[in-house]
Amino acid sequence: DAGITQSPRYKITETGRQVTLMCHQTWSHSYMFWYRQDLGHGLRLIYYSAAADITDKGEVPDGYVVSRSKTENFPLTLESATRSQTSVYFCASSESPTGEQFFGPGTRLTVL
Amino acid sequence: GNSVTQMEGPVTLSEEAFLTINCTYTATGYPSLFWYVQYPGEGLQLLLKATKADDKGSNKGFEATYRKETTSFHLEKGSVQVSDSAVYFCAEVAGGTSYGKLTFGQGTILTVHP
Repeated sequence: DAGITQSPRYKITETGRQVTLMCHQTWSHSYMFWYRQDLGHGLRLIYYSAAADITDKGEVPDGYVVSRSKTENFPLTLESATRSQTSVYFCASSESPTGEQFFGPGTRLTVL
Repeated sequence: GNSVTQMEGPVTLSEEAFLTINCTYTATGYPSLFWYVQYPGEGLQLLLKATKADDKGSNKGFEATYRKETTSFHLEKGSVQVSDSAVYFCAEVAGGTSYGKLTFGQGTILTVHP
């Protein structure tokens, strides 16, 4: 399917476990982003990437790791999940740094 | 850092009422400004945008004008519908940044009753 997809859509895990959230886009956009959405905070940027093998921290990177070996994929890993990482996670991509960002449907993660 | 402030919600209106959601930004220079909409259970979609002062973005009956003098980008619609019920986010991306980091407001929940 064309567009941007995320998997899984829902995930429940336990404190201390490693979790990887997947993001895939079919447009060959150079720029990709991970956000978390929490009540009262809007969306906050976790990590972003300008191209394959180029990533950098956003506003709230602690506890997360990303990689971008291929342009179309941008996985987000929680190395040791904590309850504070319970959130809805959105991946986005864009063609240019200041252009429209296209968002995936989100992953709702619960850490028990 | 930069910030975006939206009017606090939730906002509840009757169908055909006039809508205004206020948004102000702090980025200096000439940031690009956006309104995104999030329908229940979905990701965000771009509603409209403006990239320079005095530009008016418009889409689906919604409008917002880039006001440099008041650093504002208020969202308006003359006659809302039940289908407009959603969460609305104002956002900016500052000019000159290499990676297009969007800064979002906290979101405003809009509920429209028949």
